[in-house]
Order: sequence, then structure tokens, then C-alpha cells
Amino acid sequence: KAGVTQTPRYLIKTRGQQVTLSCSPISGHRSVSWYQQTPGQGLQFLFEYFSETQRNKGNFPGRFSGRQFSNSRSEMNVSTLELGDSALYLCASSEGGGPQETQYFGPGTRLLVL
Amino acid sequence: AQSVAQPEDQVNVAEGNPLTVKCTYSVSGNPYLFWYVQYPNRGLQFLLKYITGDNLVKGSYGFEAEFNKSQTSFHLKKPSALVSDSALYFCAVRDTITGFQKLVFGTGTRLLVSP
Repeated sequence: KAGVTQTPRYLIKTRGQQVTLSCSPISGHRSVSWYQQTPGQGLQFLFEYFSETQRNKGNFPGRFSGRQFSNSRSEMNVSTLELGDSALYLCASSEGGGPQETQYFGPGTRLLVL
Repeated sequence: AQSVAQPEDQVNVAEGNPLTVKCTYSVSGNPYLFWYVQYPNRGLQFLLKYITGDNLVKGSYGFEAEFNKSQTSFHLKKPSALVSDSALYFCAVRDTITGFQKLVFGTGTRLLVSP
């Protein structure tokens, strides 16, 4: 099976703009989670989607949002970008989303906000 | 709250020697523990997990981890290190309080294996 794919891999934006990142999970996986990785804060959970519904959300402002489509593909959106949003954004998928399941990560999208 | 600690920012080991990357955890309820590795400009690769059962868990690329409930530890080990093992290693615990898939990660340990 193909792994988790994320597009684009690299992105440069300016403050105030908005950005949309895309994630395609492993075929058959219905749970998709997003994480932000920065040198200062490390890896932080953004949100999780399962069957098109957000079922968990981390401590991020409302500028961060996401959605999941019927084919389990997911997008996350960041509006009104700030310099501090520069990070590696990682998407992860799992089959059924149970607590014992393994999440498999994509290569990430590196966002630079100028 | 669920949390994990990785007390070492960096671990240095010579190729061929055994390696240990330390992780301790704090959870409410049963711990579901994971190790991931990250190579430069890459995402996280799954190495192994502890859910229940044997305290010694075997994973990918010759890695194993020992779960110790009394010491609340889940140290990653490998009998003989390779230069190609040099990478950033993350320990994580599943947040069973909020539920579902959320992982809480440690700060990471950089492993440097010298030839």
C-alpha cells in the first residue's frame, strides 16, 4: 500500500495570507490526524477527523481548521498567517482510530511564513 | 494529564555498541506507548509500540523497547548501533483521557552513531 501523502511539500507565504494543506491517508484508513512540529514547541496535536467528523481538537486558535472528505482525504487550513505558524505540518492516519492502533505519518508540509 | 519525558537531548554511541534512548511516562490508566524515528526532512516512522503483554517489545530495524511499570519507563534499545541509526527519536503516549488518536510526544532525543 502507498503511504500517507501530503501536498505540497514546501510552501512559502506572507503574514496575513491563508494556506490549505492536503493529506491523503493510507488506503482503507478512516482516521486522519494533524500535528504541528516546531523547534520550540515540539510536536503538538492539532485535530483528528474520523468519517468526516472532527472528534478531537488540540489547543490551537480558531485560525486553524480542517475537514475530511468522504474518501478520507483531509485538508487543514490556516487563516491570517502569523510568523509563528512557520512549522512542519504532519498528517497521520490509522485504520479505525482505536486507542491501540498505530498512526502512520506522512512526510509533512514545511510552511514558511515571511 | 498524559505526558512523556525524554531526559537526554542527545545520545552518542560508537557503531557496534549497544544503544539506549530513555523515556519515562505519566498516564492515568493503561499506558499505550510508542516510539517513532525522524530522519532529516522526513516525517515520523513508526518503530514499535507497547499495548499490553510482554514487557519486551520488538520492532523495526532491530530496535526493541522494555516496558517497566514500576519505574514508568519505556526505554528504546538496540544491541548493536549502526551509523544509519543516527536520527531523532520520539517517545509518545496515547492520550486515553481525551481519547481517540491523539499522541502526546516527548521532546525528542538525537542519536548520533559515530563510525
